[in-house]
Amino acid sequence: LAKTTQPISMDSYEGQEVNITCSHNNIATNDYITWYQQFPSQGPRFIIQGYKTKVTNEVASLFIPADRKSSTLSLPRVSLSDTAVYYCLVGTWMDSSYKLIFGSGTRLLVRP
Amino acid sequence: DVKVTQSSRYLVKRTGEKVFLECVQDMDHENMFWYRQDPGLGLRLIYFSYDVKMKEKGDIPEGYSVSREKKERFSLILESASTNQTSMYLCASSFRTGEFAGELFFGEGSRLTVL
Repeated sequence: LAKTTQPISMDSYEGQEVNITCSHNNIATNDYITWYQQFPSQGPRFIIQGYKTKVTNEVASLFIPADRKSSTLSLPRVSLSDTAVYYCLVGTWMDSSYKLIFGSGTRLLVRP
Repeated sequence: DVKVTQSSRYLVKRTGEKVFLECVQDMDHENMFWYRQDPGLGLRLIYFSYDVKMKEKGDIPEGYSVSREKKERFSLILESASTNQTSMYLCASSFRTGEFAGELFFGEGSRLTVL
């Protein structure tokens, strides 16, 4: 059964780097890995997307090993406003149909 | 910016009522999705649509139906609301199909309470 696994929660302090890993053993060959951020009472918001190796944008980096069975979202120098839930999303083939699988989400708490 | 607009942020309905949740996107996306989000259960797909008048069941379609008469609009219908349908409902859209899911753009969510 396809499964996307993330840690339930993480704690950090302002200014630290935070790395959140998602395992996705059954990712579809041609699919991308996408990460989202969600604040309370809002819809998830796109952070970053990648296919392999490393992707970086103005808010985060995404590291994807060669086998693509996992990915790591890296948030440099977090601030209090980065306290949120982070989800990974991948596509996979299940029972001959394509499915989008969200991870269960990682609740990040950034402390002063 | 892409905008996905959900018609109501908060709704309170009674058991047995028919409920319509509307979603409109302004980027000409082919794909539209309805998810529900519950504490401890994450995001679960109810239905999705990859074209006008087309729909596919997601992981938890029971008790729901959908309608997509126009490309920009995707409606979720609860024919007879029940208390276990109290939840946050999220609409999303994307412009890619097939294996390339692309970026999902989410609305702000509709929090439904069924009494």
